Amino acid sequence: GENVEQHPSTLSVQEGDSAVIKCTYSDSASNYFPWYKQELGKRPQLIIDIRSNVGEKKDQRIAVTLNKTAKHFSLHITETQPEDSAVYFCAASISGNDKIIFGKGTRLHILP
Amino acid sequence: DTEVTQTPKHLVMGMTNKKSLKCEQHMGHRAMYWYKQKAKKPPELMFVYSYEKLSINESVPSRFSPECPNSSLLNLHLHALQPEDSALYLCASSQGQGGPYEQYFGPGTRLTVT
Repeated sequence: GENVEQHPSTLSVQEGDSAVIKCTYSDSASNYFPWYKQELGKRPQLIIDIRSNVGEKKDQRIAVTLNKTAKHFSLHITETQPEDSAVYFCAASISGNDKIIFGKGTRLHILP
Repeated sequence: DTEVTQTPKHLVMGMTNKKSLKCEQHMGHRAMYWYKQKAKKPPELMFVYSYEKLSINESVPSRFSPECPNSSLLNLHLHALQPEDSALYLCASSQGQGGPYEQYFGPGTRLTVT
């Protein structure tokens, strides 16, 4: 079955700097890659997603890139702010499958 | 309305109790999910209902019993739980067939088994 690896497990960046989180997946049939942000005590919320027919997607300070050949995708957050502190989960899913497979998560700390 | 609601927010139960968790969505979504989340871990899929039929059971112990009375409601019946079942239980929904689509999560029920 699908396996999603996520790195790093913890990331600390200075406010204003960029943060990058990387994920790899094992099943080449995976074609949907969402990223969820979970603040302490809150629900996971989708922040951006990408499908396998595109290589990059941007939404203001957040971007996701996908390399289908290498089976990896990354989240880029620019000009980080204190409210970006949270746990971020990458995930992968296959068309027609209701299931999404989560990575283990990255705890992002934004330092003042 | 793009919200999934869950009740109760917190639940404390003994190992011999029977309780139920409830989840509701009014987005017209046809797939609904139960996840279990332990501290510092990703959500772990338990069950999926697609068009009100159970489509995925991730080998969950029978002390957890899901029910989907209609397309907007999802219940999780709990009986004879163990302390290790203490966790955050998240419900989610998505559009369903033709996906995959974004999953919308509810706020969760924080369950403590004593």
